[in-house]
Amino acid sequence: DSGVTQTPKHLITATGQRVTLRCSPRSGDLSVYWYQQSLDQGLQFLIQYYNGEERAKGNILERFSAQQFPDLHSELNLSSLELGDSALYFCASSPSGEVSGELFFGEGSRLTVL
Amino acid sequence: GDSVTQMEGPVTLSEEAFLTINCTYTATGYPSLFWYVQYPGEGLQLLLKATKADDKGSNKGFEATYRKETTSFHLEKGSVQVSDSAVYFCALKSRGSARQLTFGSGTQLTVLP
Repeated sequence: DSGVTQTPKHLITATGQRVTLRCSPRSGDLSVYWYQQSLDQGLQFLIQYYNGEERAKGNILERFSAQQFPDLHSELNLSSLELGDSALYFCASSPSGEVSGELFFGEGSRLTVL
Repeated sequence: GDSVTQMEGPVTLSEEAFLTINCTYTATGYPSLFWYVQYPGEGLQLLLKATKADDKGSNKGFEATYRKETTSFHLEKGSVQVSDSAVYFCALKSRGSARQLTFGSGTQLTVLP
């Protein structure tokens, strides 16, 4: 158990809909990362937050947004969903804003868009 | 930009066979290099890492050596077990402004008894 909790584990929705994925980092970790894992794109970095502030942005679509709350949990919002958004979304956390190397990953939220 | 290229999978081996999974990278300067492993139904977890040239990372019988001259970080294990069946990801972190890890595409390993 990594200590990172993601909900929901599975989500099935329709095109055009909006969903929210939630992540609780390990106790004491200030930094949260979101990654998308799909069969054709591999593991793609989306966005990073550190202590409530956006720190780095990767290949995140404009239809997607994220935030980190004062209690350090994070939410990833996906809107106007398309079939191609079906993927496994991972949250990871680390103690600081700089990646020392070890990210602690949750078990992921599997999104299926029909 | 930074990139990691991994050996295409899937790889299927018999128990006690020798394992090599190739990984090469492109990055500015001298990045830190990592291998992560993803067991079925779980998130990724760090397997080993190396932060400078000629460093050897090792864990659970797995080894990888940071080769600057060939920009490689190949993963090896002398004798694999069924429990090693998983997806293995090579990753790097550049020294600089990049704060996230850049991952390879992953290699699925299946070990048969």
